[in-house]
Amino acid sequence: DTEVTQTPKHLVMGMTNKKSLKCEQHMGHRAMYWYKQKAKKPPELMFVYSYEKLSINESVPSRFSPECPNSSLLNLHLHALQPEDSALYLCASSQRVGIGNEQFFGPGTRLTVL
Amino acid sequence: DAKTTQPTSMDCAEGRAANLPCNHSTISGNEYVYWYRQIHSQGPQYIIHGLKNNETNEMASLIITEDRKSSTLILPHATLRDTAVYYCIVPLPQGAQKLVFGQGTRLTINP
Repeated sequence: DTEVTQTPKHLVMGMTNKKSLKCEQHMGHRAMYWYKQKAKKPPELMFVYSYEKLSINESVPSRFSPECPNSSLLNLHLHALQPEDSALYLCASSQRVGIGNEQFFGPGTRLTVL
Repeated sequence: DAKTTQPTSMDCAEGRAANLPCNHSTISGNEYVYWYRQIHSQGPQYIIHGLKNNETNEMASLIITEDRKSSTLILPHATLRDTAVYYCIVPLPQGAQKLVFGQGTRLTINP
């Protein structure tokens, strides 16, 4: 299995809602990532987890809360988002962090905040 | 990350070789060059990476100049499915592999 899966594919939420994005991989990778991609822009790194521990937070607002409950699963909890947070949220994984470990990306969750 | 410069867009005829250039003149000796692509409405896909020597895999070839200041990604027989945005990335060598995506090259393969 060489896939990274993400659910849901699409999500519409209000500014007062709480929702979660889910990412799963069964490749035995120990590094997982969240990226955000606005329309017609390149992906931007948000978080990096290495061995289930948060290793990088790219100064992301606290309304985005990542969680890595085990080595196969990565969640992104969303609360009190703003309309400008509407974007494609991409999850990726790699064997380890560091050079030589290419990242495998999921198809993304397209989020719309009303 | 070493800054990379790529053309905004390129066109290529189906069946021909697509040659995508990337300039990374500030690259240091231990920094790799990575290529990813993103087909419309999909997540990015790893293509290839290299340090000094030319590299080839089932998807593409990577030619790195001797001074390492530029590289070229070659898709030998482009198909319509190769239409995508291609990103040339030089990540920091130490610590986490932070991929910093630039604007990339939008490659259109024409029938």
